[in-house]
Amino acid sequence: EIVMTQSPVTLSVSPGERATLSCRASQSVSFNVAWYQQKPGQSPRLLIRGASTGASGIPARFSGSGSGTEFSLTISSLQSEDFAVYYCQQYNNWPPTFGQGTKVEIK
Amino acid sequence: QVHLQASGPGLVKPSETLSLTCTVSGGSMNDNYWSWIRQPPGQGLEWIGYIHYKGNTHYNPSLQSRVTLSVDRSKNQFSLNLNSVTAADTAVYYCARDSPVPNYWGQGTLVTVSS
Repeated sequence: EIVMTQSPVTLSVSPGERATLSCRASQSVSFNVAWYQQKPGQSPRLLIRGASTGASGIPARFSGSGSGTEFSLTISSLQSEDFAVYYCQQYNNWPPTFGQGTKVEIK
Repeated sequence: QVHLQASGPGLVKPSETLSLTCTVSGGSMNDNYWSWIRQPPGQGLEWIGYIHYKGNTHYNPSLQSRVTLSVDRSKNQFSLNLNSVTAADTAVYYCARDSPVPNYWGQGTLVTVSS
């Protein structure tokens, strides 16, 4: 099973600032990575698939990059509604696996 | 807009079977994959498995010996059975459309395993 490791565990950012979240796979997963946002008490929301393709209705301030084993999610200018937990997921190998999440909190 | 709603007992005794049903509204079950994913309290996400609308299934190897997924297209529902549960199976269980990248998620239902 592929292990996805996210860093940092917690990221403290001021509104309007840029946030960059990282995700590392234990072996190459090509471009088969998705990113999700989860707010307390809610189900995850798909943000990015294919490492860099935005899902329908996702604001342009969310962008993804990477390939192989190193991936990142960037939020260009944090809005109040962006403070949440973010998960990466690989789907190159079965079973799909998720990272443990990065919590983006208000600084 | 597709809407998914999971339902079932919120409390299951150890060694018994956890059974959940997901009702799909706002769209057809045809031509899609239907997934179950769970999240223990305060922890990350774990894929349980998926079922194609025609009934083909694919399970997480870590749960394969205990999991059964089924689909009832006439009722627009798909179901999860997880047998021989322990406290480690306590989690919020999500049903979702699509695999392996779910775009539509139900709200999740908490199932606690306790005597």
